This record gives sequence, structure tokens and C-alpha cells, in this order.
Amino acid sequence: KQEVTQIPAALSVPEGENLVLNCSFTDSAIYNLQWFRQDPGKGLTSLLLIQSSQREQTSGRLNASLDKSSGRSTLYIAASQPGDSATYLCAVRADYKLSFGAGTTVTVRA
Amino acid sequence: EAGVVQSPRYKIIEKKQPVAFWCNPISGHNTLYWYLQNLGQGPELLIRYENEEAVDDSQLPKDRFSAERLKGVDSTLKIQPAELGDSAVYLCASSYGGGELFFGEGSRLTVL
Repeated sequence: KQEVTQIPAALSVPEGENLVLNCSFTDSAIYNLQWFRQDPGKGLTSLLLIQSSQREQTSGRLNASLDKSSGRSTLYIAASQPGDSATYLCAVRADYKLSFGAGTTVTVRA
Repeated sequence: EAGVVQSPRYKIIEKKQPVAFWCNPISGHNTLYWYLQNLGQGPELLIRYENEEAVDDSQLPKDRFSAERLKGVDSTLKIQPAELGDSAVYLCASSYGGGELFFGEGSRLTVL
């Protein structure tokens, strides 16, 4: 069974600092990996999708890397803003099954 | 283009009462998922549909939960009777095959 871990569970940084969020998974036979953002009381918003054949994916201030062999993905958010405060979850897809981490809750202090 | 639409957004019921949630996926998405999310945790799959067929319902508590996806588009998730432990957020998501997953805003259930 795929286990997905996100450490730390919570993170607080001053505005302007770069954010580094980690996601680790136990089974490297994945199809793709997706990063989501979740605001309180809301659904999950897709941020980036990385296919298993890709090493990284970028969108604006966001960059996600994938290292299948070590079972890790990292989401980088450059120059954080208070509006980036949210919970960030990663999900790993293998054979149509998605396994989610519990998320990292980020607070960006103004 | 409209995203995944869910209703109701909030529902408060007494235990043992029935409740139903509705989901309209993104147009063209053949795969529809229902997830349950408890506070501080990631979503957990309840059921996955490929078109109108339920291809993975292994985590659905079939004694009280049921779901349907008529004509391979909209879907309804029902709980009857509801228990206190069913209080959670019920999320619907859709994708085209194994591609990018898109979620609705969720339906928050409170069972008193």
C-alpha cells in the first residue's frame, strides 16, 4: 500500500521567504504526482501535475520536482506572500489509485 | 468552463436521518470520484466511477452508503441512516482518465 508523508505538518514563515514543502512516498511505481492547495472550508485546488517521466514542473512562482527513485517530491514557492497561506497536499497516483498526504499548513506572516 | 459543482455546501441533520449529496463533474470527464475528508487529514476514496460503472467501491461502507452515476455524468452519494461518525466533508472530483484531478468545493456534513 502506498504511504504518502508530508513533513512538517505546519510551517510559518515571514513574507518574502521562499517556501519548501516536502512529500515522500513509499512505492516508486507511480503514474503521476499532483500538488493541491486547500483553503479553510474549501475544496482542493490543483496547482501542478508532474508525470512520472518528468523531473519538474513550473507555474509562475511555483516549481515542483519529482525524484521517483528516492520517493520524493518538493514544492517550491518563491517569494511567499500572505495570500499563500493555506494547506498544501500532495497526491500520488498509481494504477488509478490516488494516495494523499495529510498536508502541510503554511502561514505567511506579513 | 465550469468546474466540479457540488451541493449542498452544508448540511446539518439528526443521527439516523438520511442525507444525499449531488455532484456535477467537469464536462467531458469520464472519471468521477467521491472522497471523504476529516479535519487535518487528506481525502480518502469512497468510490470511483469510470463513466457509469463503479470500478472501485472497496472503501464504501455499503451497509449505509450508496452512490449512483446515471448516464455517466452527474452522481449522487447517499447515507442512510447517518451516524455521528459520518460528520466530515464529502468531496467530489473528476478527471479525464488518469489525468489531472479537479475537486468541487465539498459538502460539509454535521450529524447531531
